[in-house]
Amino acid sequence: NAGVTQTPKFRVLKTGQSMTLLCAQDMNHEYMYWYRQDPGMGLRLIHYSVGEGTTAKGEVPDGYNVSRLKKQNFLLGLESAAPSQTSVYFCASREPGRRYTGELFFGEGSRLTVL
Amino acid sequence: TQLLEQSPQFLSIQEGENLTVYCNSSSVFSSLQWYRQEPGEGPVLLVTVVTGGEVKKLKRLTFQFGDARKDSSLHITAAQPGDTGLYLCAAILGGSNYKLTFGKGTLLTVNP
Repeated sequence: NAGVTQTPKFRVLKTGQSMTLLCAQDMNHEYMYWYRQDPGMGLRLIHYSVGEGTTAKGEVPDGYNVSRLKKQNFLLGLESAAPSQTSVYFCASREPGRRYTGELFFGEGSRLTVL
Repeated sequence: TQLLEQSPQFLSIQEGENLTVYCNSSSVFSSLQWYRQEPGEGPVLLVTVVTGGEVKKLKRLTFQFGDARKDSSLHITAAQPGDTGLYLCAAILGGSNYKLTFGKGTLLTVNP
């Protein structure tokens, strides 16, 4: 049972380079999310999607773009990486539950360092 | 402004001790979840509470949802080293069914 899979797990970039993080889920979930986690800051929502072909901004969207061309995949792009984007990125998926109770399933994280 | 305030931020105790961590907000929650995150892994759901005053037990963990649905607590009895991790509360605020907002977490260390 794969659940939520993120690739790559580690990446080092130079300032100004671009890259894409891939998230794949095999649970047929409608909702998908990208969070970043920094020391002392908790998990902050970057972008999210409520279905194939839809995306929306979260709490900290600047410097990131996303796409959800297929229901099972959610891509996070950095067009011009900055040191402030050094972080651990988590993808998550969720099936909408009754009374807002749906469980969030997370990937193992992608550690990105921007030099 | 942090919508969900967790306290304490750090907690280091000895095996066998009891502890309580808190999650508070000025907003009313539609529901509240507690997750635990171990190093190098993503968070994993422990419990969801939806009714004001609700108490749920998961082995040595007791979760309580405040009557006004603005706060929650997690109590661990006889802590074990395996309980070590980052405990995160998360809630859907403002009536949205889409966005789960997380607190900054409580980092618990249980020493043998």
